[in-house]
Amino acid sequence: QVQLVQSGAEVKKPGASVKVSCKASGYTFTSYGISWVRQAPGQGLEWMGWISAYNGNTNYAQKLQGRVTMTTDTSTSTAYMELRSLRSDDTAVYYCARTVAGTIIDYWGQGTLVTVSS
Amino acid sequence: QSALTQPASVSGSPGQSITISCTGTSSDVGGYNYVSWYQQHPGKAPKLMIYEVSNRPSGVPDRFSGSKSGNTASLTISGLQAEDEADYYCSSYTSSSTYVFGTGTKVTVL
Repeated sequence: QVQLVQSGAEVKKPGASVKVSCKASGYTFTSYGISWVRQAPGQGLEWMGWISAYNGNTNYAQKLQGRVTMTTDTSTSTAYMELRSLRSDDTAVYYCARTVAGTIIDYWGQGTLVTVSS
Repeated sequence: QSALTQPASVSGSPGQSITISCTGTSSDVGGYNYVSWYQQHPGKAPKLMIYEVSNRPSGVPDRFSGSKSGNTASLTISGLQAEDEADYYCSSYTSSSTYVFGTGTKVTVL
């Protein structure tokens, strides 16, 4: 069965960086992409971007351009999302999710809480 | 890219039908048949309920159905059950090759 297992919760200070991992299993990693979606406390879902695990092509949300980098390691079927220059409004649960042909987000990871606080 | 517009809340009694709307533009909902719907229970990850406007993934009850007209997509839950109480989000692929989510709808089973 498809599983996406994310790394644990993080607490960071403003200005720092965070890197969240997402290990995939139960499917051919390079046949799909990985999207990253975040959800601030009590708020809705926000799409951050996605990466093709086939060729590494990325597409990021405009508001995060320059602060976010998404990568994959096909040898371990793991995706990574790094967010830099963290601010308090980056506090959120970050989800990775399998993406079909860049158009359908189907399976989701369990989420990683990132707290940005001084 | 602005979020798609959904009603903040919808409620119904067990057994009734409810419909949640999701309004976008011709650059997202109206331009593509890549509208999905997600169910999210408190503290849990979202779950895909409908993809490509009206398709149900394996395991999703046929009480859930989707449709689209112009720039507005809809999710209908027929025969509402207690376990359907959750937040629901629509999403759409966009002309910028990005994704946009809806504002979210809280469904309450009375």
